[in-house]
Amino acid sequence: QQQVKQSPQSLIVQKGGISIINCAYENTAFDYFPWYQQFPGKGPALLIAIRPDVSEKKEGRFTISFNKSAKQFSLHIMDSQPGDSATYFCAATASTSGTYKYIFGTGTRLKVLA
Amino acid sequence: DSGVTQTPKHLITATGQRVTLRCSPRSGDLSVYWYQQSLDQGLQFLIQYYNGEERAKGNILERFSAQQFPDLHSELNLSSLELGDSALYFCASSVRDRGGGELFFGEGSRLTVL
Repeated sequence: QQQVKQSPQSLIVQKGGISIINCAYENTAFDYFPWYQQFPGKGPALLIAIRPDVSEKKEGRFTISFNKSAKQFSLHIMDSQPGDSATYFCAATASTSGTYKYIFGTGTRLKVLA
Repeated sequence: DSGVTQTPKHLITATGQRVTLRCSPRSGDLSVYWYQQSLDQGLQFLIQYYNGEERAKGNILERFSAQQFPDLHSELNLSSLELGDSALYFCASSVRDRGGGELFFGEGSRLTVL
C-alpha cells in the first residue's frame, strides 16, 4: 500500500514531441504528489507538484494530470527538448496523516533526441 | 545549489568495513531524510528525522543506523558493508516534520564496496 508504481522505465522522444510518464498509488492517505527531475551526478530537484483537489496543474511545458478515482497521476512534457533529458521520479506523501514518508516511484529515464 | 551538503562525495571501501556519511540540511530545515539509490530500484526511503527525533523508518537494514544532532546535521552509519550496499546515498531536508512540502536533496554520496 506504500508503493508508487511508475512507468515506463525508459522513454525516448523526438525533439518537439510529448513525453508522458505515468504513476499509480494505492494509499488513499496520500495527498501531495510531486515530480522530481534528476540530472546525472545531481540530486533530484522538485519540478512540479499537485494536490488531489485539482485535476490538472500546468507550469510552462510541464503538466500534471491527476485522476483521484483511479489513483493515478501523470507528467506530460510538451515540446520536449534535449535539455529535458533526465530521470524523472514521481512521489507521494501524506501531509495530514501520521505517514511522514515520501515514497518515490522507480524513475523514468527520458532521452530527447535532437 | 539546494543548500544541502553531503560529505564525502565519493567513498571506496572494502567489505566488512564501516563508513559514516554526513549531511548538513538547508538552513532552517528541521527534517532530514535519507534515501538509497541503486541502479534498478530508484529512491529507497531509509529513515527520517525531525529536530533530532526519528519520525519514520523505511527498509533500513539493521547494519545501518542514523542520527540527527542538536545542530541538525545528520549522519548515516553503514557497518559490516556488503557488495550490495554499493549505491548513491542521498540526504534531503524539509522544513516540515511531515509530508506535503518540498524536499531539497544534496548531491549524494557515492559508496563503492569492493
